[in-house]
Amino acid sequence: DAKTTQPPSMDCAEGRAANLPCNHSTISGNEYVYWYRQIHSQGPQYIIHGLKNNETNEMASLIITEDRKSSTLILPHATLRDTAVYYCIVRPGTTDKLIFGTGTRLQVFP
Amino acid sequence: ETGVTQSPTHLIKTRGQQVTLRCSSQSGHNTVSWYQQALGQGPQFIFQYYREEENGRGNFPPRFSGLQFPNYSSELNVNALELDDSALYLCASSPPHGKGDEKLFFGSGTQLSVL
Repeated sequence: DAKTTQPPSMDCAEGRAANLPCNHSTISGNEYVYWYRQIHSQGPQYIIHGLKNNETNEMASLIITEDRKSSTLILPHATLRDTAVYYCIVRPGTTDKLIFGTGTRLQVFP
Repeated sequence: ETGVTQSPTHLIKTRGQQVTLRCSSQSGHNTVSWYQQALGQGPQFIFQYYREEENGRGNFPPRFSGLQFPNYSSELNVNALELDDSALYLCASSPPHGKGDEKLFFGSGTQLSVL
């Protein structure tokens, strides 16, 4: 199972873009990169996922490098409600076995 | 559409007891998986159910078992509870699998405390 590496914590000023990096150097060709976030004591919330092309939705943008060994989640205009733990996950095949690491704790400050 | 719902939200048990946690999958979803999240850690995969059968298991002992029903809802059973079983138990559901890009949605979890 491909593993991911994320910084343990990051800070971001409210209204600025938050860029959360993730390394997944052992990713296989058919494995998707998923991002979830978890606000204290709640279930993880789906944010975005992608295979090799950049993706954008109403919550965030996902930039995947051409070699697929790393990616960046971008929250374009961070708000205080974006304070959470963000998990970058490589999903193996078609199972629902998501391997969560320790994630990045994002603190958005006023 | 309804989301993933779990019950109960909180539960207190004593060591050695048995517990059953319940999960209703999101409408249209036929696969359910369970995760255990200890305090300060990321969720750990317990097992997955598809077509009422276990279809993938993480590193958890046999006293962790489950069921999936024809309506795709699911139960997680834990026997002989230990203090280390205290955790947030999360249920997740996903639609019929294809390429591996199906979104997995989580419930809010059941907080289990073992005394």
